[in-house]
Amino acid sequence: GAVVSQHPSWVICKSGTSVKIECRSLDFQATTMFWYRQFPKQSLMLMATSNEGSKATYEQGVEKDKFLINHASLTLSTLTVTSAHPEDSSFYICSARGGTSNEQYFGPGTRLTVT
Amino acid sequence: AQKVTQAQTEISVVEKEDVTLDCVYETRDTTYYLFWYKQPPSGELVFLIRRNSFDEQNEISGRYSWNFQKSTSSFNFTITASQVVDSAVYFCAVGTTGTASKLTFGTGTRLQVTL
Repeated sequence: GAVVSQHPSWVICKSGTSVKIECRSLDFQATTMFWYRQFPKQSLMLMATSNEGSKATYEQGVEKDKFLINHASLTLSTLTVTSAHPEDSSFYICSARGGTSNEQYFGPGTRLTVT
Repeated sequence: AQKVTQAQTEISVVEKEDVTLDCVYETRDTTYYLFWYKQPPSGELVFLIRRNSFDEQNEISGRYSWNFQKSTSSFNFTITASQVVDSAVYFCAVGTTGTASKLTFGTGTRLQVTL
């Protein structure tokens, strides 16, 4: 089956620093990748949609200068949280769409804690 | 805009009981997809089912069954003879079709199955 990985699975960083999260489709080419954020005991909120080789489309209310998304290849998208603050602490989940079924497959998530 | 309502925040049942998780959705699209995902404590989303809006047939997969009623915009999920391993948060989602498809998630129902 289609597998999506995320790295790291968890990260702790200091306030003001930047952190990069990688999302990879391991056995298929992902034409589109999605980034979600999930606060504790809450739902998944779509942050942005990225297509390979083009700029990401951000959802309303998501700061594109703070959450930099790069989709440089058909198997890799990165989310960089710049100048992180404690309120950015959350569970970030990516998904990738592609493969023969064009389904959306989710990664295992990255737990970010900003101290 | 799409919206998914999962009115049940938390449900607690004793093992072997049947339990139904409710999902009501809103969409202006005539063609759409409906999904159920399971999120165990580990955080990784587990895909359970995708249903096309054209297909109103109910589906059964082992102990799981789904009741899709377009007339009431509902897509309910029933677990028969629940087990402790079913304990998780369950999300219902609606997705658009086409190359720009996005998922909108409900707020989730936390299911606790006890012995």
